[in-house]
Amino acid sequence: KNQVEQSPQSLIILEGKNCTLQCNYTVSPFSNLRWYKQDTGRGPVSLTIMTFSENTKSNGRYTATLDADTKQSSLHITASQLSDSASYICVVRRDFGNEKLTFGTGTRLTIIP
Amino acid sequence: DTGVSQDPRHKITKRGQNVTFRCDPISEHNRLYWYRQTLGQGPEFLTYFQNEAQLEKSRLLSDRFSAERPKGSFSTLEIQRTEQGDSAMYLCASSPQVLETQYFGPGTRLLVL
Repeated sequence: KNQVEQSPQSLIILEGKNCTLQCNYTVSPFSNLRWYKQDTGRGPVSLTIMTFSENTKSNGRYTATLDADTKQSSLHITASQLSDSASYICVVRRDFGNEKLTFGTGTRLTIIP
Repeated sequence: DTGVSQDPRHKITKRGQNVTFRCDPISEHNRLYWYRQTLGQGPEFLTYFQNEAQLEKSRLLSDRFSAERPKGSFSTLEIQRTEQGDSAMYLCASSPQVLETQYFGPGTRLLVL
C-alpha cells in the first residue's frame, strides 16, 4: 500500500532552536517528494520539491533531504521563528504522469517564545 | 490577489441539504484539483481537471459528489444530501502543468449538523 508516514506527530520547541521533521514513504514507483507548510485554517504552501536524483534542497531556513534508497526524507528548520508554527506535510507523487499525490498526516510544530 | 480563491470559506448546513463550493484557480493554470482534509489528517485527493475535462476521480468521490469546470476556469464541487461524515475542509489547488507545484486555496470548511 502506498503510504507516507511522518514523525513526530507534534513537536514543541523554543524560538531560535533548530528542529528536524521526518518522513518515511512506501510510495512506488517514486517521482518526487514535496514538503508543504500549512498554517491553521489555511491551504498548504509548497516549501521544497525533490526528484529522485536530488538529495538536498534548501529554501531559506528550511532544508529538505531525500534518501531515495531508504525512502526517507527530512525537513530541517534552522533558527526557528514564531511564524514557523504550523503543520508540515510530506507529499509523495507516485510516478511520472500519475496525478495522485499521497499526503502524510503532518507534523504539528509549535514554536514558543 | 492572484492566488487560488475559494468561496465560501465556511459553510454550516443541516444533514440532507445540498451544498456547492466554488474554486477560482490562478489564471493560466490549466490543472485544477479538489482535496478533502479532516482534522489532524493530510489532504485526500478527490478529483482533478485539465482545462474543462475531468480526468480522474477518487473512489472517495461518491455519487453524491459532483465536480465541474465548465469553461476551464473556475470549478464547482457539489455535495448532495450531505451527511455528518462530509464535515471537513475542502481544498482546491491549481498548477500550470503536470508535475508542477500545486498552489492551494484557503479551503472551504464544511460542518454538517
